[in-house]
Amino acid sequence: AQKVTQAQTEISVVEKEDVTLDCVYETRDTTYYLFWYKQPPSGELVFLIRRNSFDEQNEISGRYSWNFQKSTSSFNFTITASQVVDSAVYFCALSEAQSNYGQNFVFGPGTRLSVLP
Amino acid sequence: NAGVMQNPRHLVRRRGQEARLRCSPMKGHSHVYWYRQLPEEGLKFMVYLQKENIIDESGMPKERFSAEFPKEGPSILRIQQVVRGDSAAYFCASSPLIQETQYFGPGTRLLVL
Repeated sequence: AQKVTQAQTEISVVEKEDVTLDCVYETRDTTYYLFWYKQPPSGELVFLIRRNSFDEQNEISGRYSWNFQKSTSSFNFTITASQVVDSAVYFCALSEAQSNYGQNFVFGPGTRLSVLP
Repeated sequence: NAGVMQNPRHLVRRRGQEARLRCSPMKGHSHVYWYRQLPEEGLKFMVYLQKENIIDESGMPKERFSAEFPKEGPSILRIQQVVRGDSAAYFCASSPLIQETQYFGPGTRLLVL
């Protein structure tokens, strides 16, 4: 069965600090996809990144970077030089490649990030 | 290209009434997913539909809940005889193909009084 754990329930940092959000997943599939979504106070879900299980390259997009490590089943997300606008709940999600049913996501419980000015 | 549209954004119902939530997927997307988010919790999968077909409803309660995605028009999530425990945010997502990224709508916040 698939499972996503985000052990950090809430994190507070001061603006300009770096912060890493942890994500650990469980799956028996060899083919799967990992995602990060951001949910700002307004409530919508904003897609950030998708990574497939065969691509372990780390990714950087501006102040955001992601570290995918299959050996530890982790897909951590780092925000460099955090800003107040980064304050949101961040969800990590896992999707197994199910040939019959397409995909459904399993979401982690989320990490609430507060960036203080 | 408009994103996933959901309406209404907020819905208030009294216990026993029916709630109808609508979702229009992104243009070109034929796969629709519904999720429920209880307060202070993550999202839980409910149902996955393609046009006119329910593919996977394993996350949807067997009683009172139903979903459809007709050939024409939006996908509908219907909750009959709502109870206070149905109060939650309901998100719809769509994708163009199986196993592609799902893009989410803004959600419908249902409050049952």
